[in-house]
Amino acid sequence: GAVVSQHPSRVICKSGTSVKIECRSLDFQATTMFWYRQFPKQSLMLMATSNEGSKATYEQGVEKDKFLINHASLTLSTLTVTSAHPEDSSFYICSARHGQQGWTEAFFGQGTRLTVV
Amino acid sequence: RKEVEQDPGPFNVPEGATVAFNCTYSNSASQSFFWYRQDCRKEPKLLMSVYSSGNEDGRFTAQLNRASQYISLLIRDSKLSDSATYLCVVNDYKLSFGAGTTVTVRA
Repeated sequence: GAVVSQHPSRVICKSGTSVKIECRSLDFQATTMFWYRQFPKQSLMLMATSNEGSKATYEQGVEKDKFLINHASLTLSTLTVTSAHPEDSSFYICSARHGQQGWTEAFFGQGTRLTVV
Repeated sequence: RKEVEQDPGPFNVPEGATVAFNCTYSNSASQSFFWYRQDCRKEPKLLMSVYSSGNEDGRFTAQLNRASQYISLLIRDSKLSDSATYLCVVNDYKLSFGAGTTVTVRA
């Protein structure tokens, strides 16, 4: 399958600081990338859909000013958690699809485990 | 009603057993479905797509029942390595995940 690389895999930061997470599609162009968050023993919750060259579409209840998403190229999307607080501690995962196909499976990055202390 | 609902389990089965579980979805217009597998603290990985006519991949069989709006996954001859959380995914352009069904296969 296609490869999606997410970095860093684990990060610990102090409350009030910002953290940037990168998601790269290594062997295909991803017009659309998705950002998910998963709390322990819960399902993946979609945070936002990121389209290359345009503003991200955020799900209801997700603060766009707190979770900044940039999709500057067909192979890279970034999620920045601004002014992080302990309640933002979670597992963040990105996924990407090939091109414009809406019915194909998505490939996932390895995830980033964020701990805010 | 949640978009995707799964029996959380856990299903605790001996090696060699057959285990099956369902997932219901709320959008009757949904066309595309997947089963993903997620190991503890790891990212989800695609297990198999679910086709209208049902499909099989080795020991895994997926079925779709549009009338009742559910999909199912059956695992035959369970292996220890099948222990994981299985995520039902409805693909309405954005992927909607169920909370997962935990399966533990014991020796």
